Amino acid sequence: GDSVTQMEGPVTLSEEAFLTINCTYTATGYPSLFWYVQYPGEGLQLLLKATKADDKGSNKGFEATYRKETTSFHLEKGSVQVSDSAVYFCALSDVGTSYDKVIFGPGTSLSVIP
Amino acid sequence: DAGITQSPRHKVTETGTPVTLRCHQTENHRYMYWYRQDPGHGLRLIHYSYGVKDTDKGEVSDGYSVSRSKTEDFLLTLESATSSQTSVYFCAIRGTGGDYGYTFGSGTRLTVV
Repeated sequence: GDSVTQMEGPVTLSEEAFLTINCTYTATGYPSLFWYVQYPGEGLQLLLKATKADDKGSNKGFEATYRKETTSFHLEKGSVQVSDSAVYFCALSDVGTSYDKVIFGPGTSLSVIP
Repeated sequence: DAGITQSPRHKVTETGTPVTLRCHQTENHRYMYWYRQDPGHGLRLIHYSYGVKDTDKGEVSDGYSVSRSKTEDFLLTLESATSSQTSVYFCAIRGTGGDYGYTFGSGTRLTVV
């Protein structure tokens, strides 16, 4: 079945460091891909998405490119801030089937220290 | 922000009592979902709904039931609460079409003592 794998956390970075959180997926159809962010004590928020191969999603300085050949959707940010400390979830929705649920990865916790 | 609210935000209840959590949306979305989030387990789907009176089980549905009598409301009931059901519960809504991600509520923190 469909699945999402993320790099294990927690990840700790200094402010202004470069961030990469790896995400790979397995899907039977043609999935849309998402990154969600969860700040402490809050629900998940959609950060960015990409709906087809080679699409790049971007928001708040974060970006991720849908790579069909490597089945990946890695999240990157050039210069992280303390306010980026949160848990990040990679997810997919498989539009090629009648599947109507979003599959989430386990989440990667990020801590940014001043 | 998308119109989705959960109530209550926090609840403490005793083992063996029934508990109902409410999710209310103003987006007229067809799909609604209940998840629980626990350390080390990520997000786990409890139940979901395709429409009014149309629901199905997720991966951790034992001990939970749901009802959806109106498009805007999706209720999650713990028939007889147990300590293992202490968790944070999130409701999510989703529009039609595969490229629509979820919109989540703010969550309900439930403690069963």
